[in-house]
Order: sequence, then structure tokens, then C-alpha cells
Amino acid sequence: QSALTQPPSASGSPGQSVTISCTGTSSDVGYYNYVSWYQQHPGKAPKVIIYDVTKRPSGVPDRFSGSKSGNTASLTVSGLQTEDEADYYCNSYAGNNNYVIFGGGTKLTVL
Amino acid sequence: QAQLQESGPGLVKPSETLSLTCIVSNYSIDLGYYWGWIRQPPGKGLEWIGHIYHTGNTYYNPSLKSRVTMSINTSKNQFSLKLSSVTAADTATYYCARVTSTVRVDPWGQGTLVSVSS
Repeated sequence: QSALTQPPSASGSPGQSVTISCTGTSSDVGYYNYVSWYQQHPGKAPKVIIYDVTKRPSGVPDRFSGSKSGNTASLTVSGLQTEDEADYYCNSYAGNNNYVIFGGGTKLTVL
Repeated sequence: QAQLQESGPGLVKPSETLSLTCIVSNYSIDLGYYWGWIRQPPGKGLEWIGHIYHTGNTYYNPSLKSRVTMSINTSKNQFSLKLSSVTAADTATYYCARVTSTVRVDPWGQGTLVSVSS
């Protein structure tokens, strides 16, 4: 099972919006509404910021939003702030044989 | 809020078995949820190793399945990972985490770096 495909990098200026994609197949992202997104700052453990495609855990700013179309899920960060600079990963349920797969990660730079 | 903490050797010799334990506090692991292991090689992305239910049912990454064994001890509120026949490619930070049925991973342990070297 291949990893989900994410762009290696993304960038934006403070206040702008940026969208990160996560592309899978009709057997994982396209079939199940079980996509989560994680933010990881250097030296820290990942933290969930979106789950079940669009849901946001309590405490996560509403600047973070998720969506899905076909085999591609997306994370949008609106009103970029310097503290949003981090690595972002998606994951998805992949069925009974493969269970869980992660994306390769996207490094977000706030210029 | 559940808290997880990994423990185990930071250095393992090639061909030996890597063993880690995750101690869970502030939450009883037999109340439900899955309990998983994820690793991250230095400078690289996240890789799912597998997860275990409180009943002992296990689900492993097919690429690691032949070398992975997970177990759970509800009386000690902890779960464990064993990875056999390790090589340098298994050098990574290993995270334990709680996992929902929709594969939301939350919370995560702080992670522990395991190096494979002679």
C-alpha cells in the first residue's frame, strides 16, 4: 500500500490562506470519510487538527478546515500565522487489509 | 485527558529485537479504543506500524507484519511493541498513541528515539 500523496512543501504570507492536498485512491480516501490531519512542530509529537475529514477537535482554531473531493482530501489554513509553520500529515483508513496509511508530509513555511 | 509515555532501550543491535512499552495514565485502556504504534525515521515522514484493541485483536502494517508483535496488559494499563530482526532502516522515533475506529490518532506519546547500531 503506497503512502498518500502530499506536496512536499507549501508556503504563504501571514494573513493569507494556503491549501494542502492529500491524494489517495478509491480504496482509502475516496471510499471512507476517515481522513485526519496532523500538525508537527520540530522535535514534537504530531497533534491532530482535523479528523473525520471536516471535524475540528476542541481547542483547534477555526482557521483550520478540512474537505474532500473524490480521492483527494484537503487542509486549508486561513489567516496564516507564524506559529502555523510546521509539518502537516494526513492519514486515512485503508480497509481491512491495510488499515491505516499516512501521507508523506508537507512542510508549511510562513514567509 | 489520557497521557501516554513510551519506554525502552534507545539502542538496539542489528538482528536483535526492539522492545517498547507504552504506559497509559488518566484513562483505562480496557474502556475501548485501539492503541497504536507509529514511527518516524530521522528527517522523514510517519509510518503506521499497527494497533491493538483491548481484547487483544491486532492489526499490523502488511510491510512489517512478519516482524511485529503487539500485546496489551490491561491490569498494568500498558501495551507493548516487539520488532524483530532489526536493521539500520528501523532507526526511528517510535510513538505510541490512542486510535479511534475512524483512525483519529490522539493523543500521542512524546516519542522515543531508537537507534539500531552495533
